[in-house]
Order: sequence, then structure tokens, then C-alpha cells
Amino acid sequence: NAGVTQTPKFRILKIGQSMTLQCTQDMNHNYMYWYRQDPGMGLKLIYYSVGAGITDKGEVPNGYNVSRSTTEDFPLRLELAAPSQTSVYFCASSMQGWANYGYTFGSGTRLTVV
Amino acid sequence: DQQVKQNSPSLSVQEGRISILNCDYTNSMFDYFLWYKKYPAEGPTFLISISSIKDKNEDGRFTVFLNKSAKHLSLHIVPSQPGDSAVYFCAASGGNNNDMRFGAGTRLTVKP
Repeated sequence: NAGVTQTPKFRILKIGQSMTLQCTQDMNHNYMYWYRQDPGMGLKLIYYSVGAGITDKGEVPNGYNVSRSTTEDFPLRLELAAPSQTSVYFCASSMQGWANYGYTFGSGTRLTVV
Repeated sequence: DQQVKQNSPSLSVQEGRISILNCDYTNSMFDYFLWYKKYPAEGPTFLISISSIKDKNEDGRFTVFLNKSAKHLSLHIVPSQPGDSAVYFCAASGGNNNDMRFGAGTRLTVKP
């Protein structure tokens, strides 16, 4: 059981480039989330999805886009990379009743924009 | 706006002793609180949670205490083990259950 898988693990982008961070889960969870963690800060929610075809903005959505065409996949798109997007990105998923089980996180993607 | 605060960036304790990690929050709408543990190069893993209708929840060596009037919660680890060395995040949610807010984390080091 793989859980939540994120690719790539590391990436260096130049300013203005675009990329997609991939996230897939095999637990049949309806809820999926993208967080970013900056040094010395807590995780901040970028976007989330409560099911296939449904997405919504979190606390820090600017500069990002998401889609949810299947239950398993929740890719995060950066269109015009900026240095402020240098961060570690975590994808997570949960089932209903998450409060007793929390979220299941992937191992993260470390992104550097230069 | 930091709604969940962990004011101690680091904590060091001796093996076998108690570790106490603290967390404060400002939003009175929060009704679920969670602790996550994170090892380097891994994602956070869920440790323990507590509902606002309780003031204590225990799971083995881990106990979470909630003081709603003070908007404060703490995680107690007894006895502490070297394998507990990690970064611990406090998180809170309420109202919109899809917007969980995290503290900045406390790095716990348990010395053998």
C-alpha cells in the first residue's frame, strides 16, 4: 500500500518556467490537499479537493492551479515560477472522519526557483 | 495571520524523561486539534487528536491536553525515547474542516 506518492522529490526551476507537481493516492480518499512549508513556518493550504471534479482555494492559492479529474490524482500546476514559490510542497489525502485519523501526507517535493 | 503558534522552536530532553510540547491558538472556532510528527525527508504523520469537547486524550506514551479557556494544548510524551526525535506540528481545524491550520513546529531531540 503506497499511500500518497509525490513526484518529483526535488526540482530546480528558473524564474518564469512552468511545472506540474504530481500527487497520487491509492487509498480511495475523497479529500486531497496541497500544502507548502516555508522555513520556520507551518504548513499553509494552497488548494484542496473534496472529490473528483471539485476543487477550492486554500489560504495561499495565488500562482497555482489544480485539477481533479480522478479520485486518485491531484496535480498542482505552477504557471510562471517566482522565487517566492521556493518551498517544500506536501500533498495529503483523507477520508471522511479525518479528525480521528488525520491526513496522510506524501514525502514532499522540494522546489527551488532561481 | 498565525492562528496556531508553537513558540518553542526546539526542545531537548533526556531519554526516559517527559517531553512536553506546547501549542497556542487564537481562533475560538477551532474544534479539533491534532499533533503530527515529521522525520527529515518525510511527510508529517498523524500522531494523536483531540476534540474540543474533551480535555484529555491518551494513546500509549502520548497524551494531549486541551485547555479551551486558555486556548492552549500540549503534547506529553512519557517516557521519551531517542526514536521520538523529530519535528512535531500542532494543527487545528474548525468550521470548514478542509482548512487545517498548522503551527511552525517544535524540533524535539531525545538524548540517550
